[in-house]
Amino acid sequence: AQSVTQLGSHVSVSEGALVLLRCNYSSSVPPYLFWYVQYPNQGLQLLLKYTSAATLVKGINGFEAEFKKSETSFHLTKPSAHMSDAAEYFCAVGGEPYGNNRLAFGKGNQVVVIP
Amino acid sequence: GAGVSQSPRYKVAKRGQDVALRCDPISGHVSLFWYQQALGQGPEFLTYFQNEAQLDKSGLPSDRFFAERPEGSVSTLKIQRTQQEDSAVYLCASSPDEGAADEQYFGPGTRLTVT
Repeated sequence: AQSVTQLGSHVSVSEGALVLLRCNYSSSVPPYLFWYVQYPNQGLQLLLKYTSAATLVKGINGFEAEFKKSETSFHLTKPSAHMSDAAEYFCAVGGEPYGNNRLAFGKGNQVVVIP
Repeated sequence: GAGVSQSPRYKVAKRGQDVALRCDPISGHVSLFWYQQALGQGPEFLTYFQNEAQLDKSGLPSDRFFAERPEGSVSTLKIQRTQQEDSAVYLCASSPDEGAADEQYFGPGTRLTVT
C-alpha cells in the first residue's frame, strides 16, 4: 500500500516562478521524511530531510520543505525556478511504522521548467 | 569520492533467462538496499542488508528473486526465470550506518528489459 501521496505526475513551472510540490503521508507517528531528485540517467540525490528537529528544513539548490503534523504534509518549495531544476522529484518516508530503514516513495513529480 | 556503482547499466534478457545485477556500495557503508522502479512509478523496496546479514527481504516479489552480500560489501541481485513483469530499473542504495534517518546514496540503476 502506498504510504506517500504526490499529486500531479507532471508539473510545469515558468522560469523564475515558485516551485511547489505537494507530499502527504499516512502515519499516526511522525516519520522521517525525505525529498530526493532524479536527473536523467542518474541516481536519486537527497535534496533535504526532516528528522524531528526544525519543522522548516532547508536543502540544496535553494529548496526547502515544511513539516506540518496536523496536515500530515511535507511540501517542497523553491521561490524561483531555474532551468536546471527540470528533473523528477520524489517524496519518501522512513522509520517506524514503515519498517526500519526502508524508504517508501511517492510516485514522483516530473518538473518541466518553461523558459 | 566514488559513489554507488551498478553494473550492467542496461540488460536485455529473454523471458525465462536468469540475470545477475551487481551493486558496489560506497566503501565502509554498513547498510545496503535494493529497490525496483517500474516505469512512471517511484522506487519500491525489495530488500535490506546490514553488513552481510539480510535483515529484511519482505519486498522481494517472488521466490525467483534472490539477493546476497556475502562479505558485507558488494551485493548481487539475482532474478531467475525472468518474466516480462520484471522489466524495471533496479536501484541500489547504501548508507553509512543503520539508522532510519540516514541519507541513502543511490546508484544510477540497472535497466532490465525482458523480451
